[in-house]
Amino acid sequence: GDSVTQMEGPVTLSEEAFLTINCTYTATGYPSLFWYVQYPGEGLQLLLKATKADDKGSNKGFEATYRKETTSFHLEKGSVQVSDSAVYFCALHKAPLVFGKGTRLSVIA
Amino acid sequence: DAGITQSPRHKVTETGTPVTLRCHQTENHRYMYWYRQDPGHGLRLIHYSYGVKDTDKGEVSDGYSVSRSKTEDFLLTLESATSSQTSVYFCAISDLLEGSPLHFGNGTRLTVT
Repeated sequence: GDSVTQMEGPVTLSEEAFLTINCTYTATGYPSLFWYVQYPGEGLQLLLKATKADDKGSNKGFEATYRKETTSFHLEKGSVQVSDSAVYFCALHKAPLVFGKGTRLSVIA
Repeated sequence: DAGITQSPRHKVTETGTPVTLRCHQTENHRYMYWYRQDPGHGLRLIHYSYGVKDTDKGEVSDGYSVSRSKTEDFLLTLESATSSQTSVYFCAISDLLEGSPLHFGNGTRLTVT
């Protein structure tokens, strides 16, 4: 069946470090791919999305490219801030949505 | 923020008691979902609705029932709460089943003692 695999956390980085959170998927067809972010005590918020192969989603300095050949949608940011500390979820938009298990990111000053 | 309100935000209840969680939306979205979030499991779908009185099961539906009598309200009921149902419950809405993002409420933290 359809599934999403994310790298396990937690990930701890110093401020201004480069971030990569790996996400790979298994799916029939070419579903939209999403990254969600969850800040402490809140629900999930959409961070970025890509709807077809080679699309790049971007928001708040984060980027992810829909790679059909490697079935991946890795999240990257060039310079993380303390305020980026959160849990990040990769998701596959099928009917209904399929989430990865989440990766906790902690950024220290 | 999408207009989604979950109530209550926190609840403590005893094993064997019935519990109902409410999700209210002001966006007139067709699809509504209930997820539970647990450490090591991420988010798991309990039930979802694709219209008034139209619902379907998710991957962890045992022990839960839902009702949707109005577009704006989606209720999750634990008929007889168990300690394994201690979790954070999230409601979400979307206007399409595929391709459109989900908008989430802020969650209900349920503790079953």
